[in-house]
Amino acid sequence: EPEVTQTPSHQVTQMGQEVILRCVPISNHLYFYWYRQILGQKVEFLVSFYNNEISEKSEIFDDQFSVERPDGSNFTLKIRSTKLEDSAMYFCASSLGNSFYEQYFGPGTRLTVT
Amino acid sequence: AQSVAQPEDQVNVAEGNPLTVKCTYSVSGNPYLFWYVQYPNRGLQFLLKYITGDNLVKGSYGFEAEFNKSQTSFHLKKPSALVSDSALYFCAVRDWSNAGNNRKLIWGLGTSLAVNP
Repeated sequence: EPEVTQTPSHQVTQMGQEVILRCVPISNHLYFYWYRQILGQKVEFLVSFYNNEISEKSEIFDDQFSVERPDGSNFTLKIRSTKLEDSAMYFCASSLGNSFYEQYFGPGTRLTVT
Repeated sequence: AQSVAQPEDQVNVAEGNPLTVKCTYSVSGNPYLFWYVQYPNRGLQFLLKYITGDNLVKGSYGFEAEFNKSQTSFHLKKPSALVSDSALYFCAVRDWSNAGNNRKLIWGLGTSLAVNP
C-alpha cells in the first residue's frame, strides 16, 4: 500500500539555523499539506499546496517558512531561522482530491530546536 | 467559527466492552468529518469519514462512527474494544472558511483511549 514518507525522523538544530524537512507524498496525489503538533497539543495546520502554489497558509506560516515541490515527487518545508517554539512534530499529508478525500499522513519529523 | 470539540481528554474501557469516543462539530458548509488514530511515536492514520449517505459509517479495525446532524455529532464507536486499540484519537472536519478548493482539516484536541485487559 502506498504511503507518505518523511525524512529525517528526528532533527536537532540550534536556534537560528535553517532546516529543511522532506516529504514524499503518495505518487498520484495532487494536494499536499504540512501540519505540526507541539507535544501534548492539538494538530495545527500550516500550509496547503496544489498545482505548484500555496492554496492556504495559517498564521503560523510566516515569512520564516516556505514550501517547495522541487522535482515532482518531493515536497519540502523550510524554516529559515528556527526558534525554540518551532520545536514540534511536523507532519506531511497528501490527498488525491480536495474536500471529501481523506488526507494520508507521513510518520512525522520531530524537530528539536535548542 | 468552525470547530471540532472532543469533550473527553481520556476514555477508559475494559477489553471486550463497547467504546465510544465523542466528537461534536460546528461548520458553515457541508460537514465532511474524519476520524484519525495516532499510536505512540507514529503518524496519523485515517480510520473513517462521513461525506454523505448513511449516517453510520464503517471504517478500519472494526471502528464505526455515527453522524447525527441534529446533534452535530460524529461519535466514534466499536462494539468490542481491544487492548491494541489504546491510542490517541482525533476527530477532524473539513474547513469551509477558505474560498479556495484545497481545504484543510480542523482538528479536535484528541482523546486518549485506554483499553484495560
